[in-house]
Amino acid sequence: DTAVSQTPKYLVTQMGNDKSIKCEQNLGHDTMYWYKQDSKKFLKIMFSYNNKELIINETVPNRFSPKSPDKAHLNLHINSLELGDSAVYFCASSQDIGGSTDTQYFGPGTRLTVL
Amino acid sequence: SQKIEQNSEALNIQEGKTATLTCNYTNYSPAYLQWYRQDPGRGPVFLLLIRENEKEKRKERLKVTFDTTLKQSLFHITASQPADSATYLCALVRDDKIIFGKGTRLHILP
Repeated sequence: DTAVSQTPKYLVTQMGNDKSIKCEQNLGHDTMYWYKQDSKKFLKIMFSYNNKELIINETVPNRFSPKSPDKAHLNLHINSLELGDSAVYFCASSQDIGGSTDTQYFGPGTRLTVL
Repeated sequence: SQKIEQNSEALNIQEGKTATLTCNYTNYSPAYLQWYRQDPGRGPVFLLLIRENEKEKRKERLKVTFDTTLKQSLFHITASQPADSATYLCALVRDDKIIFGKGTRLHILP
């Protein structure tokens, strides 16, 4: 059983489109995250949700909107896609946040290419 | 501003030798430091966690040290094998904030 799953694995789209990436975790964790890994492999946190509530919202354009329907799911919706949004997006989860139980479990990533 | 640096982008080590990777940080006081492994096309996988009051942690062939005075963590892989080739990321954690380094690509040469 996959612990953290994301769909789709690959996403190729035109500039200006709106797209969503879905994430689900079956670990029973309370906290979920979205990360962006750019072409230079730098992994940067975008959002974190704890029990469906937004905890961290780093400096991310408001074209990015996370939605957590329940604590096992955290979806990422992106409006008006731009070339610079091309990257690999990773979903992750942890049992808690900020403590010794915040070990991150990552999904396989979604490679987004904006043309 | 907070900064985290991993010693080099790439490191080549002969099989059987010990690989040592460095993680330095400034303007930050992490409560925990974590090391992850990332293979191409995959998400990072957690390896080890070390707390600020711990000097050393071991797990099989892996050893991590944490020096809060030097603001540095060292990650060692002993008796390295080609299967250890991957990118290794360090991450600093305090409260609800986690920061990842850019990673070091380790190549174990047969």
